[in-house]
Amino acid sequence: DQQVKQNSPSLSVQEGRISILNCDYTNSMFDYFLWYKKYPAEGPTFLISISSIKDKNEDGRFTVFLNKSAKHLSLHIVPSQPGDSAVYFCAASGNTGNQFYFGTGTSLTVIP
Amino acid sequence: NAGVMQNPRHLVRRRGQEARLRCSPMKGHSHVYWYRQLPEEGLKFMVYLQKENIIDESGMPKERFSAEFPKEGPSILRIQQVVRGDSAAYFCASSSISRNTEAFFGQGTRLTVV
Repeated sequence: DQQVKQNSPSLSVQEGRISILNCDYTNSMFDYFLWYKKYPAEGPTFLISISSIKDKNEDGRFTVFLNKSAKHLSLHIVPSQPGDSAVYFCAASGNTGNQFYFGTGTSLTVIP
Repeated sequence: NAGVMQNPRHLVRRRGQEARLRCSPMKGHSHVYWYRQLPEEGLKFMVYLQKENIIDESGMPKERFSAEFPKEGPSILRIQQVVRGDSAAYFCASSSISRNTEAFFGQGTRLTVV
């Protein structure tokens, strides 16, 4: 039962352009959402988060948008850089506990 | 990220042996999570523990796998009688007791069963 879904396994973007990574969730009890970045042979690194009381959170080149009615969030990276090439996981947690549910990841390739 | 320590980084076991994976959470963190990443797949939740308590083990295989987080010392993920299909990267994450905070991951243990 995949409660957090990332339907695009991979994405290629030209350097300097915008990267948009999408994530959908099914559990309406989720109230905190996170994005992680993962390089090969390393652990995931926290990138940015958003609480359900907001619809947007920005940190430098990274912006996360949350659409609660659609149960959808997205991560925008602009401008994209080759160093952004990695696998990006979205995750969610709810008010029933601290467990984090992860999507299956989207592999982003930024082409120089 | 560097605050969560996992060891060993690489572990090779023969079929039928036991594998013990250790995770020391970040200082001040009392929640530990174990995830498994099989080749070409995403992160699969295995178990969520607090000190001396298993909170959610719904992702753990019913046999051969166990986890603990004692009052003192690291969290341990134990896999008995390993099989080839257990070969994967095992990641541990920790978070604080506060709600709506991020979990920090370790570098993972790559288990290879030969």
